[in-house]
Amino acid sequence: AQSVSQHNHHVILSEAASLELGCNYSYGGTVNLFWYVQYPGQHLQLLLKYFSGDPLVKGIKGFEAEFIKSKFSFNLRKPSVQWSDTAEYFCAVNPLLPSGTYKYIFGTGTRLKVLA
Amino acid sequence: DGGITQSPKYLFRKEGQNVTLSCEQNLNHDAMYWYRQDPGQGLRLIYYSQIVNDFQKGDIAEGYSVSREKKESFPLTVTSAQKNPTAFYLCASKTEVPLTDTQYFGPGTRLTVL
Repeated sequence: AQSVSQHNHHVILSEAASLELGCNYSYGGTVNLFWYVQYPGQHLQLLLKYFSGDPLVKGIKGFEAEFIKSKFSFNLRKPSVQWSDTAEYFCAVNPLLPSGTYKYIFGTGTRLKVLA
Repeated sequence: DGGITQSPKYLFRKEGQNVTLSCEQNLNHDAMYWYRQDPGQGLRLIYYSQIVNDFQKGDIAEGYSVSREKKESFPLTVTSAQKNPTAFYLCASKTEVPLTDTQYFGPGTRLTVL
């Protein structure tokens, strides 16, 4: 069965530290990849997405992610975090199934706390 | 203002009662989804609908029911058969053209069963 693993459940960083959140998926076929963020008390919103092309994807608020097909990974990065980045981050994949449909699968999430 | 609305934000019910959560969207999206979010478990798909009058079970459909009589609305009923109904419920929608488009989420309903 398809699955998404986020290895870091809780991350605590100081402001200006660099961030990398891991995301690995298990599916050998075509996939689309997403990172969503949920700020405290707010909607789940899209940070960035990869469908095709350049495997290094840039999103909002200075975030980027790199798709490494050989490693089945889509890690999220930010060179310098801010206190306002405190949130829960979800990786999601959208594999193309043999039936011709797509199905979203979410990881368990990573809670990031940035200390001012 | 385009978006997805879920009501109510907080809902309390006694054990054994059915409860219906509302989800409305004015984005003209064909597909709508219901997820359940529990701490440490991420989002799990309950039901989804790609077109009016049709819906499919997700990964954890037992104890839930849905209807899709209108394109804009996709209510979820949590029945007394759901063993652990206390959770945060998220509704989402997306266009079907292209199939790969992004899902957009509502603000969620936190259900507590006493």
